[in-house]
Amino acid sequence: DTGVSQNPRHKITKRGQNVTFRCDPISEHNRLYWYRQTLGQGPEFLTYFQNEAQLEKSRLLSDRFSAERPKGSFSTLEIQRTEQGDSAMYLCASSDSGTYYNEQFFGPGTRLTVL
Amino acid sequence: QKEVEQNSGPLSVPEGAIASLNCTYSDRGSQSFFWYRQYSGKSPELIMSIYSNGDKEDGRFTAQLNKASQYVSLLIRDSQPSDSATYLCAVISGGYNKLIFGAGTRLAVHP
Repeated sequence: DTGVSQNPRHKITKRGQNVTFRCDPISEHNRLYWYRQTLGQGPEFLTYFQNEAQLEKSRLLSDRFSAERPKGSFSTLEIQRTEQGDSAMYLCASSDSGTYYNEQFFGPGTRLTVL
Repeated sequence: QKEVEQNSGPLSVPEGAIASLNCTYSDRGSQSFFWYRQYSGKSPELIMSIYSNGDKEDGRFTAQLNKASQYVSLLIRDSQPSDSATYLCAVISGGYNKLIFGAGTRLAVHP
């Protein structure tokens, strides 16, 4: 039973560049979430999918951010025209909608540094 | 007012003692409550979940929920240096599925 995986684990980019992150959820989980965490803070919700449908997006998710989950399996999060304020840990989590309590399990995260 | 509040710490306890971590939340419609442990530079790891008033025990961990007072707590018995980490309280409210996190409490267990 493999957990949530994320790639890459680290990404360093220059301001203005585009970056894309990938998340592979736990295989039997149909819900997938993206969160962002900055130093000293708890994770903040960005968006979530149930199967391939994107059901909720945070106001934090500006138009430079886009997420997809085309076949209801893996998901990608793209940030266009990166800014230094985008530097953070980007976390993916997954859960099974068949469970009442919606326990979410996190991947190792992708640490983004924008120079 | 923040939706989920935790004392940032650090909470320092000697090895073998009980560590008590507290969390309050603002939304009375909150239904599910979670504690995550996060080591420095790592991602959050789910250690406890609780949904009903009262206590829930799992090994050295006990989660306590009081919906009337809108607080959740985590007790760690026989604390070990390996328990030193940041503990994040998270809540799911109403009909939403997103987790709302507190900023975390840093726990330091010293030998």
